[in-house]
Amino acid sequence: AQSVTQPDIHITVSEGASLELRCNYSYGATPYLFWYVQSPGQGLQLLLKYFSGDTLVQGIKGFEAEFKRSQSSFNLRKPSVHWSDAAEYFCAVGASKLVFGAGTILRVKS
Amino acid sequence: NAGVTQTPKFQVLKTGQSMTLQCAQDMNHNSMYWYRQDPGMGLRLIYYSASEGTTDKGEVPNGYNVSRLNKREFSLRLESAAPSQTSVYFCASSEGTGGSGANVLTFGAGSRLTVL
Repeated sequence: AQSVTQPDIHITVSEGASLELRCNYSYGATPYLFWYVQSPGQGLQLLLKYFSGDTLVQGIKGFEAEFKRSQSSFNLRKPSVHWSDAAEYFCAVGASKLVFGAGTILRVKS
Repeated sequence: NAGVTQTPKFQVLKTGQSMTLQCAQDMNHNSMYWYRQDPGMGLRLIYYSASEGTTDKGEVPNGYNVSRLNKREFSLRLESAAPSQTSVYFCASSEGTGGSGANVLTFGAGSRLTVL
């Protein structure tokens, strides 16, 4: 069965610092992988996706993620965090039906 | 372009009452989904509809029914609400036809349901 683990429930970083959010998945075939972001009281917005090809994918808002098949990971990174990045981030895996991780809440210190 | 529209945004029910959450998309998407979001559990799939005329159970279907009314609309019904169904419900849609956009979900803003 497919599953997603986001080990960090909360992460706090200083504005301007780098960010890495972890995601590990379990999937029986070549996975489709996604990162979504949810601001308070809002729906989810797609940050980036990996289907095939280059394992480093670029997304919106300066985010990127790297697919590592050997580690079953798809970690999200940003070189310099802005206060507006404070939100909850979800990793997801799947084809026709996505399975989501439990989410990581990002807090940004000014 | 409205995307995915859900109604109502907020609802309070008493145990045993019934209600229907409505969802409509204007992107000509084939597939539609209902998820529930609970703290610390991420989003869990309740039901989905791969195409007009078909529906299928997801991870947590018990206590819910769905109707794919037409290509645009996908409703979620609670026949006899229970406190365990207190949650935020999200409708989503995707192209669902293959290709790079097939599995990209577009979400509505959510419906917050409280069952007393």
